[in-house]
Amino acid sequence: DGGITQSPKYLFRKEGQNVTLSCEQNLNHDAMYWYRQDPGQGLRLIYYSQIVNDFQKGDIAEGYSVSREKKESFPLTVTSAQKNPTAFYLCASRAHNEGADTQYFGPGTRLTVL
Amino acid sequence: AQSVTQPDIHITVSEGASLELRCNYSYGATPYLFWYVQSPGQGLQLLLKYFSGDTLVQGIKGFEAEFKRSQSSFNLRKPSVHWSDAAEYFCAVGLGGTSYGKLTFGQGTILTVHP
Repeated sequence: DGGITQSPKYLFRKEGQNVTLSCEQNLNHDAMYWYRQDPGQGLRLIYYSQIVNDFQKGDIAEGYSVSREKKESFPLTVTSAQKNPTAFYLCASRAHNEGADTQYFGPGTRLTVL
Repeated sequence: AQSVTQPDIHITVSEGASLELRCNYSYGATPYLFWYVQSPGQGLQLLLKYFSGDTLVQGIKGFEAEFKRSQSSFNLRKPSVHWSDAAEYFCAVGLGGTSYGKLTFGQGTILTVHP
C-alpha cells in the first residue's frame, strides 16, 4: 500500500533533550511538509521541502530542524530550544503534477515533554 | 496574507439531520480550496477539493461543498449525518503558483453527532 508513515505514534521526552520524528512516504511525491497541531489552533507549518537537499522554514520553525537526504524521508528534530514542544505533529506530502496544492497526511506523532 | 475562518468551533447535530460547516477565506484571487476530516488521534483525510470549474464539488463519504466567489465561502454540506461522521473538520486554502503548495488551515470545527 502506498502512503505516508510516521513513527513513533507516541513519544515522550525529558526537558532539554532533542528528539527526532520520522516521516516516510512511498508515493513518489516530491514535496513534503511538517505541521504542528495544538487544540483549537488548526495546523501550523513548521518546515517544507520541494526537492531533495532543499528545505524552507515555515511559520513556526524556531526550535526545529529538518533534513531531506532522500526523496522518501523528511525527519523532523525537535530541539531543546523549542519552548513548548508538547503537541501533535503531522507530516504531509504532495505530488507536483497533481492538483496543485493537494496534500496527503500521515497518521501523526504525539510528542509529550515530561 | 491569506486567512481562513471557520466560525463554528463546535457543532452538534442529531443523526440523520443535515449538516453545513462554514468556511470563509480572505484572499484577492480564487484560491485552491480543500476540506479535510480528522478523527481523534489520527491524521487528516482529504474529503474534497476545488480548483476551478463547477462550483459544487462532490467528495467522499457523501459530502459536498459549494464555492461562492461573491461570499468568499466554501461551505461543506451533507444531507444526512451518520454517527461515524463525528470528527474534526478543517477547511484549507492553497494559493498555487510560487507558494510551493503551502496550505493555510482554519482552526477546525468539531462535529458531535447525537443518536
